[in-house]
Amino acid sequence: DGGITQSPKYLFRKEGQNVTLSCEQNLNHDAMYWYRQDPGQGLRLIYYSQIVNDFQKGDIAEGYSVSREKKESFPLTVTSAQKNPTAFYLCASSKGVYSGNEQFFGPGTRLTVL
Amino acid sequence: QKEVEQDPGPLSVPEGAIVSLNCTYSNSAFQYFMWYRQYSRKGPELLMYTYSSGNKEDGRFTAQVDKSSKYISLFIRDSQPSDSATYLCASPGTMATSGTYKYIFGTGTRLKVLA
Repeated sequence: DGGITQSPKYLFRKEGQNVTLSCEQNLNHDAMYWYRQDPGQGLRLIYYSQIVNDFQKGDIAEGYSVSREKKESFPLTVTSAQKNPTAFYLCASSKGVYSGNEQFFGPGTRLTVL
Repeated sequence: QKEVEQDPGPLSVPEGAIVSLNCTYSNSAFQYFMWYRQYSRKGPELLMYTYSSGNKEDGRFTAQVDKSSKYISLFIRDSQPSDSATYLCASPGTMATSGTYKYIFGTGTRLKVLA
């Protein structure tokens, strides 16, 4: 079945640690996205990538980093510089950023800072 | 003003009722719209993808776009307790000078269907 997988489902981080969230898709989509979801605030765009080896900052990129070495994979690192990282993180993909196609989401990773 | 707005609810209805979920958008250049269903602690699931004005039907779900009033709606017929979830409206927005679309989401309406 085609889809988007995210791991882990739950992640706990101590203050000062970097953690990496995994996102993999087998939809052959060019574009991938990372969002953060907080209660009452909707989805906020962290980073997005149109093609391999290229990515752009979204609205709240500070404290986060990404890489896009393979079309299928778009990992997100939450660094210690992110002051309030506890949130639900969602990865998404679409056929292409230029085309405004439907966007599909993974199941999410819930990050909690201890 | 947010580009896509929706009432957060919660909206409670009895089982079998027709549910109407609504969003407004501010930019008349928006052409595509999406509705997602999100269960608690899960990723959003795409329900409907519509273009411009008119209706689109899929089973018990009907999406409607009224471009003249910048209003989009999702109707659920014969609602079931399993429809209880948060419903998000969204649009790819407009193409930026970089050639990219930045998807814009409403904050979601929480629906409860009571058995």
